[in-house]
Amino acid sequence: AQKITQTQPGMFVQEKEAVTLDCTYDTSDQSYGLFWYKQPSSGEMIFLIYQGSYDEQNATEGRYSLNFQKARKSANLVISASQLGDSAMYFCAMREGGSNYKLTFGKGTLLTVNP
Amino acid sequence: GAVVSQHPSRVICKSGTSVKIECRSLDFQATTMFWYRQFPKKSLMLMATSNEGSKATYEQGVEKDKFLINHASLTLSTLTVTSAHPEDSSFYICSARVGTGVNQPQHFGDGTRLSIL
Repeated sequence: AQKITQTQPGMFVQEKEAVTLDCTYDTSDQSYGLFWYKQPSSGEMIFLIYQGSYDEQNATEGRYSLNFQKARKSANLVISASQLGDSAMYFCAMREGGSNYKLTFGKGTLLTVNP
Repeated sequence: GAVVSQHPSRVICKSGTSVKIECRSLDFQATTMFWYRQFPKKSLMLMATSNEGSKATYEQGVEKDKFLINHASLTLSTLTVTSAHPEDSSFYICSARVGTGVNQPQHFGDGTRLSIL
């Protein structure tokens, strides 16, 4: 079974609008961390935001926020006021407790921001 | 922020050649680095965990004799693709964990595009 599921292979959004990228996860650990990374066409992986399993508040970093619903095991990324430069692949990843900090990545969502 | 440098960014070489890729942490010490492989339009696949001063831990299905990893210092890990063949062509990317906190992200290098002719 996949540990990280991103069900949207591609998403389109109009510039200046908000968009939600879905991520669900599967783990039996109580302690885990969820990360979102952005990968532009140039290839580098850019860390965006982190949510810990024990964090009671949703994480926010500038225009990025994480809608964490623990009971549903979902950690959706919300990008507000989309910009053309947000067009990229977005990966959700999970670090499970005791995993030596290994990350398991989802298959990614390709976001295209239209002018 | 933490910077991870990966070199070279692109390699094109003949089949049978061995290729070395370097991953450096520029402004922090990294006891653990990770090596990933990514096929076009696919996700990152963890190949191995590189531990400073000890042997790397390889993921299932990754040939340790094919992909040699050396982590001789706290700021440098190398991946050597030995006797590379066209099927080894891929995007290889390294990362390093900053600090010991569980909330610390991995910071990635810019990746290496390897093309074997």
